[in-house]
Amino acid sequence: GNSVTQMEGPVTLSEEAFLTINCTYTATGYPSLFWYVQYPGEGLQLLLKATKADDKGSNKGFEATYRKETTSFHLEKGSVQVSDSAVYFCALLRYSGNTPLVFGKGTRLSVIA
Amino acid sequence: GAVVSQHPSWVICKSGTSVKIECRSLDFQATTMFWYRQFPKQSLMLMATSNEGSKATYEQGVEKDKFLINHASLTLSTLTVTSAHPEDSSFYICSASPRAGALNEQFFGPGTRLTVL
Repeated sequence: GNSVTQMEGPVTLSEEAFLTINCTYTATGYPSLFWYVQYPGEGLQLLLKATKADDKGSNKGFEATYRKETTSFHLEKGSVQVSDSAVYFCALLRYSGNTPLVFGKGTRLSVIA
Repeated sequence: GAVVSQHPSWVICKSGTSVKIECRSLDFQATTMFWYRQFPKQSLMLMATSNEGSKATYEQGVEKDKFLINHASLTLSTLTVTSAHPEDSSFYICSASPRAGALNEQFFGPGTRLTVL
């Protein structure tokens, strides 16, 4: 079946540090891959996505590259800010939009000044 | 962009009462809506898939008589938690998929926090 594995948190970084949150997936065929962010007390927001191999999704300084050979979609940011503190979810979508997303367990990031 | 709203954003109720949560797609038609539940510090758990005009499909372990889902139109789905108990306290999130499906993604509502006393 389809599954997503994320590195376990929590992750605590100092401001301006480099961030990597690992995500690997298992799926048949060619899923679309997503990173969602959930700020405290809020619902999920789409952060970035990639729909095919070697695509790079980017938004707000975050990047992730769809690596089919390693079945990975690691999230990176060169310099984190306190406002980036949130929970980050990696997810995949196997078919069309009318199927559920499969989520990882989420990684909590805390950035301290 | 596509916007999904939920109402209420939070609700507190007494044990034994029923609570209705609405999920609306504001600027697109949603053939399918999904309902998720999120416990503190955990990932989203899919509860059910709701297709407009038909019965919802529930995930294993989710009581359909307790969590009533209605998807009466292409822009509205409701989740009713019947005879709520403290263990039903959670964050409930809906997502909606556009009719065409071409966007290949779902749009999430902001969530509803339910607290049952």
